[in-house]
Amino acid sequence: GAGVSQSPSNKVTEKGKDVELRCDPISGHTALYWYRQSLGQGLEFLIYFQGNSAPDKSGLPSDRFSAERTGGSVSTLTIQRTQQEDSAVYLCASSHGLAFGDTQYFGPGTRLTVL
Amino acid sequence: DQQVKQNSPSLSVQEGRISILNCDYTNSMFDYFLWYKKYPAEGPTFLISISSIKDKNEDGRFTVFLNKSAKHLSLHIVPSQPGDSAVYFCAASAERGGSNYKLTFGKGTLLTVNP
Repeated sequence: GAGVSQSPSNKVTEKGKDVELRCDPISGHTALYWYRQSLGQGLEFLIYFQGNSAPDKSGLPSDRFSAERTGGSVSTLTIQRTQQEDSAVYLCASSHGLAFGDTQYFGPGTRLTVL
Repeated sequence: DQQVKQNSPSLSVQEGRISILNCDYTNSMFDYFLWYKKYPAEGPTFLISISSIKDKNEDGRFTVFLNKSAKHLSLHIVPSQPGDSAVYFCAASAERGGSNYKLTFGKGTLLTVNP
C-alpha cells in the first residue's frame, strides 16, 4: 500500500520568502506529525494532529511556523519569512491512532534550503 | 538538553558479526522506546520497540535490551548484513505521561557493515 508522501522533495528558497510543505498521510491514519532534522541533529518534534485539530503546537520554533490539516488527511506546514536557520529536512509521519504502540510511519522528507 | 543520547556517531562491523548500538536517556518519564533505521534520501523506517515493562524484545535478527535502572538501551543485530548499513535512531516517548504522540530522538549512529 502507499506510504506517507511529501512534496516537494527539495525546496530552495531565498531568505524572507514563504514556503509551503505538503504531507499526504497513509490512508485511514488519523494522527499526523511533523518533525524536522537539522544537520547533525536528531529529529525534532514540531506539531501533531489528531484529525484536523492540533492539540500540541509547542514544538513549533517560532510564530513564523504554522500548520493545518484539512479533511483529516493532507497537511501543510507553512514557514513565513524564511531564515537561514530554517534550513533542514522536514519529515512528516502518520499513525493509525494514538493508542499505545501505534507506530509512526515516516515520509521521505522535504529538504529545505534557505539561501 | 539532550534527553536521548547516542554517543557513538558511527560503528563499523564485519558481515556476520554482531552489531551493538547503544542509547542512553535522561527523562525518567520515558516508558516506550523505539529504534528506527534510515537510508539516505529516505524517511526513517520503524525497526523494533520495547515497553518499559519488559527488558528484552526480539524480532528475527534484531533484539532490543532495556536497562531501566541505568536508563540505557541497546540494539543487537545478529548476524549483521551489508544491507543493514544505515543510520540508526533511538527514540523514546512518555506513553503514560500523556505525551505518547511525541517521539524524542537521538542524533543517530551510522552503522557500516563490511562484506
